Amino acid sequence: GQNIDQPTEMTATEGAIVQINCTYQTSGFNGLFWYQQHAGEAPTFLSYNVLDGLEEKGRFSSFLSRSKGYSYLLLKELQMKDSASYLCAVSDSNYQLIWGAGTKLIIKP
Amino acid sequence: DAMVIQNPRYQVTQFGKPVTLSCSQTLNHNVMYWYQQKSSQAPKLLFHYYDKDFNNEADTPDNFQSRRPNTSFCFLDIRSPGLGDAAMYLCATSRETSGSYEQYFGPGTRLTVT
Repeated sequence: GQNIDQPTEMTATEGAIVQINCTYQTSGFNGLFWYQQHAGEAPTFLSYNVLDGLEEKGRFSSFLSRSKGYSYLLLKELQMKDSASYLCAVSDSNYQLIWGAGTKLIIKP
Repeated sequence: DAMVIQNPRYQVTQFGKPVTLSCSQTLNHNVMYWYQQKSSQAPKLLFHYYDKDFNNEADTPDNFQSRRPNTSFCFLDIRSPGLGDAAMYLCATSRETSGSYEQYFGPGTRLTVT
């Protein structure tokens, strides 16, 4: 079967750095997406990785290792508004998105 | 300049009473999706349209139907809502199904079944 694993919840301090991991087992791979979802709101796109390595976009970076079936989202200089759930989703061989359940990130002052 | 619009934002229906949720988009995207999301769970794809080509997920109950009368609009019909259908329903669009095209989500409709 197809599976995406992420930690359920993480806590970090304002101004710090946090890394949210995602491991996946899917039938084929056509890229990995990270989305941010604030409570009660719709997911919004953060990043897309299809090749190995690190993609940096401002305070957020995303890393991919296809051989290990592994990605992480790195958030720097954390702000209170970063409190949200972060969803990892993999595009499989049929270009269907397989979603993780999300990691709830709690930021403390 | 809303791009994906869902109405209503909150819907209360009675057990067994049909309900329709609507979605419209101003992005002129080819693909429209309907997801069901329950608290702290991954979004579950119900179906998607590529243009007018309908794609039903294998495990989507027959109780859920969809219509896409034109590029801009898509509807989700729940014929006989049960208590287990209470959830957030998310509409999303993308330019294509393949490649790096991300999905744009509407604000969602939170459905309560009494």
